[in-house]
Amino acid sequence: SQELEQSPQSLIVQEGKNLTINCTSSKTLYGLYWYKQKYGEGLIFLMMLQKGGEEKSHEKITAKLDEKKQQSSLHITASQPSHAGIYLCGADIIAGGTSYGKLTFGQGTILTVHP
Amino acid sequence: NAGVTQTPKFQVLKTGQSMTLQCAQDMNHNSMYWYRQDPGMGLRLIYYSASEGTTDKGEVPNGYNVSRLNKREFSLRLESAAPSQTSVYFCASSGLGQGRGYQETQYFGPGTRLLVL
Repeated sequence: SQELEQSPQSLIVQEGKNLTINCTSSKTLYGLYWYKQKYGEGLIFLMMLQKGGEEKSHEKITAKLDEKKQQSSLHITASQPSHAGIYLCGADIIAGGTSYGKLTFGQGTILTVHP
Repeated sequence: NAGVTQTPKFQVLKTGQSMTLQCAQDMNHNSMYWYRQDPGMGLRLIYYSASEGTTDKGEVPNGYNVSRLNKREFSLRLESAAPSQTSVYFCASSGLGQGRGYQETQYFGPGTRLLVL
């Protein structure tokens, strides 16, 4: 089973709708990263969350890390076709010692936005 | 400032052939990583290098070797390619973090698509 679970695995929405993608772990998340990937391309960094309860926004995308630091959500307001792609969460969840920056990734959420 | 670059972009190999994937970064980052991405599995860490001169295994290192040639370059070698190594390979780099939970952001290259027949 995945150490970092994303839900849903895929999402189809109509342009203008709001949506939320979740990233959940049974372990503490030391640093949670959200990336976006267009098909056939590399990962584009969106946001990084480090502290429990932290929330960050960029344009119409907001990401939160819960107080317990075991779940993060990515919320898109008034979605547009340009938001379509694969969203991945990555986190440092290795217990004990230093992780040397190694990240564990969720399996990704495929977002389709219909005009 | 090109960020993280990878070569080649595409490669087709026959089973048993060898090849090296190249990665370079121009951000003066200490740490570099190799991941593979497979459908439904997200990204899985193959090897990483916390600093120049050091390398260590990640989650799925079998069948791969790496070389941290200098601070800029980190290569991934497949000695005898197998169909199970068909995947998209990503290289990433990050600066020196300040400890647990205060890592520097990882920046990714565009990826190498590898098909092993």
